[in-house]
Amino acid sequence: LAKTTQPISMDSYEGQEVNITCSHNNIATNDYITWYQQFPSQGPRFIIQGYKTKVTNEVASLFIPADRKSSTLSLPRVSLSDTAVYYCLVSGAGSYQLTFGKGTKLSVIP
Amino acid sequence: GAGVSQSPSNKVTEKGKDVELRCDPISGHTALYWYRQSLGQGLEFLIYFQGNSAPDKSGLPSDRFSAERTGGSVSTLTIQRTQQEDSAVYLCASSLEVRQGRNEAFFGQGTRLTVV
Repeated sequence: LAKTTQPISMDSYEGQEVNITCSHNNIATNDYITWYQQFPSQGPRFIIQGYKTKVTNEVASLFIPADRKSSTLSLPRVSLSDTAVYYCLVSGAGSYQLTFGKGTKLSVIP
Repeated sequence: GAGVSQSPSNKVTEKGKDVELRCDPISGHTALYWYRQSLGQGLEFLIYFQGNSAPDKSGLPSDRFSAERTGGSVSTLTIQRTQQEDSAVYLCASSLEVRQGRNEAFFGQGTRLTVV
């Protein structure tokens, strides 16, 4: 399983765009990159998943460069309700393992 | 149901007692996970069930922990002779069968276990 590294914490003001970068230097050819969000006292929630280039949904965008050794989760115009821990995961073909690191604690400031 | 349901939501037990935690996965989901999360920490994998295959128990911390999944649906995590270090939030998740690394897991709200 590819190991992931992401910042422990980030602060942002309301209305700003937030970019959280995750490093996964030993990602394998068939691995996908997935991000989860966890609010206090709740289970994690799937945000977005991608393999290469860019993926966008109603919540976020995921940017993956050509070498796939990192990925960036982009949250547009954050609000106080986006305060949460964000986890980056890498999982491979046929692998069910969901390995959660410590994640990035995002604090949105009014 | 609409989502993964766990019960009880909170459980306080005395050291040495046995506890059972229940998970109702989303209907049709063949994969089921149990995780443990201590205060301020990340998620620790405990056990994984996939259909009728033998479960992956590699994350269970000791032989006091066991889990079963009856009929490919409801799962029960049992902790025998609870210790104070077992205090944590126990999270259950389910997903459709994993293919090609694509795997969206849906988590329940968790059971907060406190051993006193």
